[in-house]
Amino acid sequence: AAGVIQSPRHLIKEKRETATLKCYPIPRHDTVYWYQQGPGQDPQFLISFYEKMQSDKGSIPDRFSAQQFSDYHSELNMSSLELGDSALYFCASSPRAGGLYNEQFFGPGTRLTVL
Amino acid sequence: KQEVTQIPAALSVPEGENLVLNCSFTDSAIYNLQWFRQDPGKGLTSLLLIQSSQREQTSGRLNASLDKSSGRSTLYIAASQPGDSATYLCALGSGTYKYIFGTGTRLKVLA
Repeated sequence: AAGVIQSPRHLIKEKRETATLKCYPIPRHDTVYWYQQGPGQDPQFLISFYEKMQSDKGSIPDRFSAQQFSDYHSELNMSSLELGDSALYFCASSPRAGGLYNEQFFGPGTRLTVL
Repeated sequence: KQEVTQIPAALSVPEGENLVLNCSFTDSAIYNLQWFRQDPGKGLTSLLLIQSSQREQTSGRLNASLDKSSGRSTLYIAASQPGDSATYLCALGSGTYKYIFGTGTRLKVLA
């Protein structure tokens, strides 16, 4: 069965650089979520999209932005990178927001290292 | 604001023991609860999903229960094996369907 695809799997950037993380949800899933997991931390919700519209926003820095495209894939853009942005970034998708259809399927994550 | 706590934070047991991991939450208005396993530096492996209308789910040696009224879920692992060593996370779907993760239990099963 198709799973959530994230690219790249690993990314190394310098401080103040920009990074773009991509997420390809499971086919026919219209909802995408982004989470950030710092070292030794539990995953924290960043932002979500439903049918290409932002549906919720968590503790996402103003330096980050995201969008969902017409093919439902999503990109997380991170600018002016800081050392503290080093983390594992997960994308998850679900077939429909809410209720019984809210099981989230997680991708393998992108490990971002900021030097 | 929903807060999710997992107890114990860490657990070390000999092989073969039956284990209970706990997940407590403060707001019972949840849509579902999902248990995950995470190996060091790796992704999240889904173990069990309990919908809000359900009381428990079972998969192999794993059984998860949900009691919304008391704000608690437990993950029962039968006959633990060294390969079960990992961090176990519970996550609650609430509010606008985002997941709120618990603080995790680091499990080590000794051979």
